[in-house]
Amino acid sequence: ILNVEQSPQSLHVQEGDSTNFTCSFPSSNFYALHWYRWETAKSPEALFVMTLNGDEKKKGRISATLNTKEGYSYLYIKGSQPEDSATYLCAFTSQETSGSRLTFGEGTQLTVNP
Amino acid sequence: DTGVSQDPRHKITKRGQNVTFRCDPISEHNRLYWYRQTLGQGPEFLTYFQNEAQLEKSRLLSDRFSAERPKGSFSTLEIQRTEQGDSAMYLCASSFPVTTGEQYFGPGTRLTVT
Repeated sequence: ILNVEQSPQSLHVQEGDSTNFTCSFPSSNFYALHWYRWETAKSPEALFVMTLNGDEKKKGRISATLNTKEGYSYLYIKGSQPEDSATYLCAFTSQETSGSRLTFGEGTQLTVNP
Repeated sequence: DTGVSQDPRHKITKRGQNVTFRCDPISEHNRLYWYRQTLGQGPEFLTYFQNEAQLEKSRLLSDRFSAERPKGSFSTLEIQRTEQGDSAMYLCASSFPVTTGEQYFGPGTRLTVT
């Protein structure tokens, strides 16, 4: 059984604050780590896919890092805006399934107050 | 709109009834996935297709569930004799069969079994 854990479960920040979330995953049989943003009533949106230990990806004010040896990834949001309010999901794929099935964490629900 | 679409967006049914959901993937994608998300949990993998072949099924997919992708384009997910525990968001995703396997999600079908 693959366990993907995310923390915190929920987070309330003020507009302008920077914040970060954690995703931990099994370090053995690693294939890829995905981050998604899911706003209410919309489709989950892919943010990043990371495959290599030490990977860092950035998209605007959002960035992510990956440590496959210890099995964790961080997602950072700099200068949070109300439109960043969403559930952030990480998902792990293993070598056993060649990256087909995603195993998701429970998500971090972010609320940015204006 | 060239994204993944799902129909219906919401379905309310009585226990014991059969329901069918449809997913139209991004046209160039030959992989199609079904996931289920219940309240407070991350999405859980149900099954996936490459073209018309169903390559993997989760143990979550009981005998009452069946998925098809007859022509390798759209897919249907049928639940027979629905139970209250089937109430969930059913998500469809599609992808190219490339190494990182980035999956693009539809908006989901929210099923409520009364």
